[in-house]
Amino acid sequence: GDSVTQMEGPVTLSEEAFLTINCTYTATGYPSLFWYVQYPGEGLQLLLKATKADDKGSNKGFEATYRKETTSFHLEKGSVQVSDSAVYFCALVGGSQGNLIFGKGTKLSVKP
Amino acid sequence: DARVTQTPRHKVTEMGQEVTMRCQPILGHNTVFWYRQTMMQGLELLAYFRNRAPLDDSGMPKDRFSAEMPDATLATLKIQPSEPRDSAVYFCASGFAGPTEAFFGQGTRLTVV
Repeated sequence: GDSVTQMEGPVTLSEEAFLTINCTYTATGYPSLFWYVQYPGEGLQLLLKATKADDKGSNKGFEATYRKETTSFHLEKGSVQVSDSAVYFCALVGGSQGNLIFGKGTKLSVKP
Repeated sequence: DARVTQTPRHKVTEMGQEVTMRCQPILGHNTVFWYRQTMMQGLELLAYFRNRAPLDDSGMPKDRFSAEMPDATLATLKIQPSEPRDSAVYFCASGFAGPTEAFFGQGTRLTVV
């Protein structure tokens, strides 16, 4: 079945450092890909999305490119802030029934 | 500002008691998901409805859990009887059918003692 694999955390960075969180997927057909963010005590919020190969999703300085050839959707940000500290989830919608499937999440802590 | 509303936000109950969690999806959305989040397992899909019909509840322990949509504005998740291992945060999310994003509620934090 469809699945998402993302890098294990936690990830600890200093403010203004470069961030990469790796995400790869397994799916039949052409899924849509998402990054969600969860701040402490809250639900998940959509961060960005891409619906077809080579699309780049971007929001709040974060970017991810849908790479069909490597089945990847890595999240990047050039300069992280303390306020970016959260758990980040990679997800896909695919399959005949359109299930929303998540990776296990990566906790990011940004230190001043 | 449209949002998914979950009640209660917090619930503490004794083992063996029935627990009912409620979700009001965003008006017009025809797809509803229930997820359970724990430190050990991460986000697990419990059930998934489209147009109020269950499409997938394979992730839900059938002996004690049940999920329903009595109408388009209400989704419920029941646990009877509850057990300490059910302690988790339960999220409801809604969206449109197809390859689009889902919108999450703030969750119900359940503690079974």
